[in-house]
Parts: sequence; structure tokens; C-alpha cells
Amino acid sequence: SQTIHQWPATLVQPVGSPLSLECTVEGTSNPNLYWYRQAAGRGLQLLFYSVGIGQISSEVPQNLSASRPQDRQFILSSKKLLLSDSGFYLCAWRRDAYEQYFGPGTRLTVT
Amino acid sequence: GQQVMQIPQYQHVQEGEDFTTYCNSSTTLSNIQWYKQRPGGHPVFLIQLVKSGEVKKQKRLTFQFGEAKKNSSLHITATQTTDVGTYFCAREETGRRALTFGSGTRLQVQP
Repeated sequence: SQTIHQWPATLVQPVGSPLSLECTVEGTSNPNLYWYRQAAGRGLQLLFYSVGIGQISSEVPQNLSASRPQDRQFILSSKKLLLSDSGFYLCAWRRDAYEQYFGPGTRLTVT
Repeated sequence: GQQVMQIPQYQHVQEGEDFTTYCNSSTTLSNIQWYKQRPGGHPVFLIQLVKSGEVKKQKRLTFQFGEAKKNSSLHITATQTTDVGTYFCAREETGRRALTFGSGTRLQVQP
């Protein structure tokens, strides 16, 4: 069966510090991968998605970036965090036209 | 991206009452998916509707897809406290391998 891992579960970072969130998927190959951000009590904002290694589509201009160095690994990064980067970051994978599976998420607080 | 409007934003019901959330699009949908996010958790896939006029049931949950494939609804009969959470609809993005999520309906059930 397929499993999606995200870490860390929670993170508190000062403004201006770098960020690296990692997501890995097991049990499937060549998945579509996604990064979402959810502000408290709000909806899901698609940040990046990837249909293959090295292929990244950016949805919202911001100080975040994403990379896919391996088929089942998706990384979200920032060189300098802003207060507005606080939120719940969710990684997800899916096959085209099928359901999407979300990881457990990372709660990021930028102080 | 193409938007989906979801209403209501929030609903508070007494346990045993019914609940309905609606998802509307200005353009025809190829399919619609529904997800549930428990408080503090990540979204979990519930169902996908593909055919015009389709109705699917999962125990107390009834999902409908409109005849024109521009709207969908989720109805919960006799709510229970376990139904608490936020319900999202999601549409396929034409030309992109990504889902666009509605803003969600937060359901609170009073025991």
C-alpha cells in the first residue's frame, strides 16, 4: 500500500531563517506531487506541483521554492521566512484523474 | 485557475439534524471530488462523481452531481459528533494535473 510521509510535524522558526520541508511517498512510482498551504480556518492553497523529477509548476509567486530530486521525494524550501509563511503545509500525491492522498502535514509558526 | 464556490462557509447543527453543503462552478466539471478534514488533521478523500446526475451514498452521506455537471452537494442525514470537520469539494483543472479545492464548509455538531 501507498504511504506518504512528511516531517517535521511542527516547526517554529524565526523570521528570516531558512526552511526545508520534506515529503516522501512509498508504494507507488511516478506520482504527481503537490504542496499546499492552509492558513488557520481557511482553505487549501496550492503552492507547487510536480509531474516528474525536476519538473515543478509554481502556482503562487512568493519566497518559497520546491524541488523534486527523486521520483518520490518533494521538498519545499525558503531562503528567508516571512511572518506570512506561517500555516499548515500539506504534501499530497495522486495519479491523474484519481483521488488525492495527503500527508499528515507540518505546522509552521514563524515568529 | 478555475474556481469552485462552496456554501455555506460554516454550519452549526444539533446532533441528529441534517446537513448539506453545496459546491458550484460557472463552467462544466469533468468530475468532482469530496474530502473531509477533521480538526487538526489532513484532508481525506471521500468520493468522486463523474456522471451527470450521479448520486452516490456512503452510509449517512449522500453525494450528488448536477445534471449540467456544474454543481454538486453533500448531504449528511442525522449528523453525529464524528461528522465534525471541514468538507471540501475539488475539481480537476483543465490543462493542469491539479485539483482546485473549494473554500470548504466547516461543520460543528452540538451533542
